[in-house]
Amino acid sequence: KAGVTQTPRYLIKTRGQQVTLSCSPISGHRSVSWYQQTPGQGLQFLFEYFSETQRNKGNFPGRFSGRQFSNSRSEMNVSTLELGDSALYLCASSLEPTGGGQETQYFGPGTRLLVL
Amino acid sequence: SQKIEQNSEALNIQEGKTATLTCNYTNYSPAYLQWYRQDPGRGPVFLLLIRENEKEKRKERLKVTFDTTLKQSLFHITASQPADSATYLCALEPSNTDKLIFGTGTRLQVFP
Repeated sequence: KAGVTQTPRYLIKTRGQQVTLSCSPISGHRSVSWYQQTPGQGLQFLFEYFSETQRNKGNFPGRFSGRQFSNSRSEMNVSTLELGDSALYLCASSLEPTGGGQETQYFGPGTRLLVL
Repeated sequence: SQKIEQNSEALNIQEGKTATLTCNYTNYSPAYLQWYRQDPGRGPVFLLLIRENEKEKRKERLKVTFDTTLKQSLFHITASQPADSATYLCALEPSNTDKLIFGTGTRLQVFP
């Protein structure tokens, strides 16, 4: 079974631009979560989608948004990029929504975003 | 405030020894705690999950303990190998949040 795939793997943008990242979950997985990872803050939860609905959102500004399609594929968008948005963006899928902390998450390789 | 703390300093040990990594949490009461491994440039990989009513969980050379009184989980790798070198992350889900929160991870370096 193929793992979680993310595209693109690397991206360079300039301040003020916007970016869209894509995530394809493991076949049969219906929940997709997004995380931002930076050396200073570690892995921080952005949002989770299940059945095309956002279930949960982390403490990020409204510039960060996402969506999920009927085939469970997900995209996240960051508008008006800032230098501080440079990070590794990770997508994780699971069979069911994370609830109680017992659902195993399967991570993709991430998209490395550099904002200049 | 709520915190998950892992030793930010790298842990360097010799091959064959047991590596012990610590995860302490404050002001959480998780029902489960998870451990992940992350290699440079890759996403985390799930290793083990332990429930609050389990004192210990084992998988091959890995052992996790969960002490809800001390609010601490210990992650052990016995007979460590250079291939075990990676960053290890603990994660938990705070009650009523449905969000998995990760510690910042501890980098383990196993040298021959």
